[in-house]
Amino acid sequence: DTGVSQNPRHKITKRGQNVTFRCDPISEHNRLYWYRQTLGQGPEFLTYFQNEAQLEKSRLLSDRFSAERPKGSFSTLEIQRTEQGDSAMYLCASGAGYSNQPQHFGDGTRLSIL
Amino acid sequence: GESVGLHLPTLSVQEGDNSIINCAYSNSASDYFIWYKQESGKGPQFIIDIRSNMDKRQGQRVTVLLNKTVKHLSLQIAATQPGDSAVYFCAETNINTGKLIFGQGTTLQVKP
Repeated sequence: DTGVSQNPRHKITKRGQNVTFRCDPISEHNRLYWYRQTLGQGPEFLTYFQNEAQLEKSRLLSDRFSAERPKGSFSTLEIQRTEQGDSAMYLCASGAGYSNQPQHFGDGTRLSIL
Repeated sequence: GESVGLHLPTLSVQEGDNSIINCAYSNSASDYFIWYKQESGKGPQFIIDIRSNMDKRQGQRVTVLLNKTVKHLSLQIAATQPGDSAVYFCAETNINTGKLIFGQGTTLQVKP
């Protein structure tokens, strides 16, 4: 399978704990995006990378959130001191270098905060 | 089972009928639009896209129409099948960033 891969698929943790998610994009894609989706809503943009450079961050991305893409390949999204409101599906997407090419999504990591 | 003009959160159609799902987008500067299909527990799946210099694009069993005057997008699915049952989202973006802004989803239910 050469699609976007996300791990883990599910994460259950207690409030206050730190969590980290991983995304492996389609190999030839140099753009990588993170979105968050809550029940019944469309995905909301969080941040994106062009190669290893993080080019934009949404206001949704509080200082408890950090994303990295150290070698321009896989990316990680870390949430520190998790809160109940962080419960959501975290989706990763990748795309080619041109903005007018479709992004392809992984199946997400579902985060549940107890 | 068609929905014309208005966005409806749920659309129920009979198997074999045609479906039309509508979407209003928000940003006049958006120049690229994508329809995604999302099944339960999965990520959005690309269906079809259209650039702002076009008003219609056809794929296999799907057609996207773009009306920039009223900022409206529609997805037509021909001969709807049970496997088409899912939530459908339109998304807009512009060439500068590529970040997607998603519209309200429509749940398509196909009755056998």
